Amino acid sequence: SQELEQSPQSLIVQEGKNLTINCTSSKTLYGLYWYKQKYGEGLIFLMMLQKGGEEKSHEKITAKLDEKKQQSSLHITASQPSHAGIYLCGAVARGDYKLSFGAGTTVTVRA
Amino acid sequence: EAGVVQSPRYKIIEKKQPVAFWCNPISGHNTLYWYRQNLGQGPELLIRYENEEAVDDSQLPKDRFSAERLKGVDSTLKIQPAELGDSAVYLCASSPDRTYGYTFGSGTRLTVV
Repeated sequence: SQELEQSPQSLIVQEGKNLTINCTSSKTLYGLYWYKQKYGEGLIFLMMLQKGGEEKSHEKITAKLDEKKQQSSLHITASQPSHAGIYLCGAVARGDYKLSFGAGTTVTVRA
Repeated sequence: EAGVVQSPRYKIIEKKQPVAFWCNPISGHNTLYWYRQNLGQGPELLIRYENEEAVDDSQLPKDRFSAERLKGVDSTLKIQPAELGDSAVYLCASSPDRTYGYTFGSGTRLTVV
């Protein structure tokens, strides 16, 4: 099955500071997905990356894909309280249709 | 466009009782997934449907879990009998195909006491 390692497991950041979350896959990727989840709620789709070197942005959130390393990073610029939550990376391996997830990164933004 | 709709939102049952969860995917999405998410972990796939066919149910504990997707639209996931370890959030997701994002519902939080 797809193995996805996310780091860090959790982080606390001061409001206005930047933060980065990393996700590494043990399998060759078809697609890498980033989701955000508020505690006890469903997952909100942020973005999907497929091509090596691809970079996408949504408001102050940017995600990049390093296909050779099978890694993706999610970067939040000038964090706000609304950025608090659990960030999950998901991936579909090449030749597969199963979306598997990492354990998630809990982000806390301190005012 | 309505999103993926799940019900109930919360459910508390005693162990050994049956429970059922319902999911209505986005119209036109042929692929439907059921995931289970334990506290502090990422979601784990239970079953995937392509239309009305269960194409991947290898992770579904078939001794107590069952699922159906009649007419390739709505789906129901059932647990009978429930055990304490089944307490989790059960998530439903749908997609037109894997080239697009998978849309998740709000989930059903199950507590077995």
